[in-house]
Amino acid sequence: GENVEQHPSTLSVQEGDSAVIKCTYSDSASNYFPWYKQELGKRPQLIIDIRSNVGEKKDQRIAVTLNKTAKHFSLHITETQPEDSAVYFCAASSGAGSYQLTFGKGTKLSVIP
Amino acid sequence: ETGVTQTPRHLVMGMTNKKSLKCEQHLGHNAMYWYKQSAKKPLELMFVYNFKEQTENNSVPSRFSPECPNSSHLFLHLHTLQPEDSALYLCASSQETTGNTEAFFGQGTRLTVV
Repeated sequence: GENVEQHPSTLSVQEGDSAVIKCTYSDSASNYFPWYKQELGKRPQLIIDIRSNVGEKKDQRIAVTLNKTAKHFSLHITETQPEDSAVYFCAASSGAGSYQLTFGKGTKLSVIP
Repeated sequence: ETGVTQTPRHLVMGMTNKKSLKCEQHLGHNAMYWYKQSAKKPLELMFVYNFKEQTENNSVPSRFSPECPNSSHLFLHLHTLQPEDSALYLCASSQETTGNTEAFFGQGTRLTVV
């Protein structure tokens, strides 16, 4: 089955700096890669996703890149703000269904004011 | 509350108790899921229901028993749990059409087994 590795497990950045979280996956058939943000005590929420027919996607300060050959994808947050502090999870899916989502272990991002 | 709601938010139970977790989605989705979230572990998929039929059971112990009476409601029945079952249990739903795979999560039930 699919295996998703996520690094780093914790990340601290100064407010205004950029943050990068990286994930690798094992199943070359995976074609959907969402990123979820989970604030303390709250539910995970989708912040951005990318499909295998696209190499990069951007939404304001958040961007995701995908390298299918190397089987890795990354989340980039620019101009970080304190409210970006949360745990971020990457996931990979090889089918048309969230039930096939395999999650990484998460990255705890702390943005220091 | 709209979206996916879970009750109770917190639950403490003894190892001999029987309890149930409830999940309700107001999004008109046709698939629902139970995930387990433990400290320092990935979100672990436990069960999947698609159109009320269970399509996935990821080798979950029989002390966890799911029930999906309709596409809007999902239950997780618990009995004779172990302390290592203490975790956050998250319910999610999605609309399973080709290419549409976003999962919407509930707030979760924080379960403590004593």
